[in-house]
Amino acid sequence: AQSVTQLGSHVSVSEGALVLLRCNYSSSVPPYLFWYVQYPNQGLQLLLKYTSAATLVKGINGFEAEFKKSETSFHLTKPSAHMSDAAEYFCAVSHTGTASKLTFGTGTRLQVTL
Amino acid sequence: DSGVTQTPKHLITATGQRVTLRCSPRSGDLSVYWYQQSLDQGLQFLIQYYNGEERAKGNILERFSAQQFPDLHSELNLSSLELGDSALYFCASSVGRGTGAKNIQYFGAGTRLSVL
Repeated sequence: AQSVTQLGSHVSVSEGALVLLRCNYSSSVPPYLFWYVQYPNQGLQLLLKYTSAATLVKGINGFEAEFKKSETSFHLTKPSAHMSDAAEYFCAVSHTGTASKLTFGTGTRLQVTL
Repeated sequence: DSGVTQTPKHLITATGQRVTLRCSPRSGDLSVYWYQQSLDQGLQFLIQYYNGEERAKGNILERFSAQQFPDLHSELNLSSLELGDSALYFCASSVGRGTGAKNIQYFGAGTRLSVL
């Protein structure tokens, strides 16, 4: 079964600092990987997706993620944090085959301080 | 705005009751997915419908059922409600039925269910 593990349920960074949110996946076949963001009282918004076209994926709001097969990782980064980045971030893997349900990690809450 | 509409936004009910959550997918999307988000279980896939047919089933309780209608809107029915069913229920929609670069799931804002 495919799964993702997000290390760190809470991450706190200063405004302007590097953001690094960690995600490791487990899959017996090449996965599709996603990062979603959830702002308070809102639904999930897609930040970026990896679908085997390129290992470095650029998303919205200055975020990017790199697929590293050797490390089974798909960490999310942003060079400079903004206060507006404070939210919960979910890594997810899509099951291969005919169904496309998403399996989510437990989420990482990002806090941005002045 | 994702284009996925969920109603109602909030629902408060009592144990033992039955409720119906509604989802309208984005225009042109044929797949609808239901997810449950709770503090103890996190975000869990419940069920997927594609063009009116059940496509995949996840951790959905027997007390829960869903359907997708000819106009592609979907309803999630929760019955014999228990305190533990209190959660945020999300609907998502996508164009296709399987995996693929273009089959992105777009999420609604969710229905917050409180069972008292």
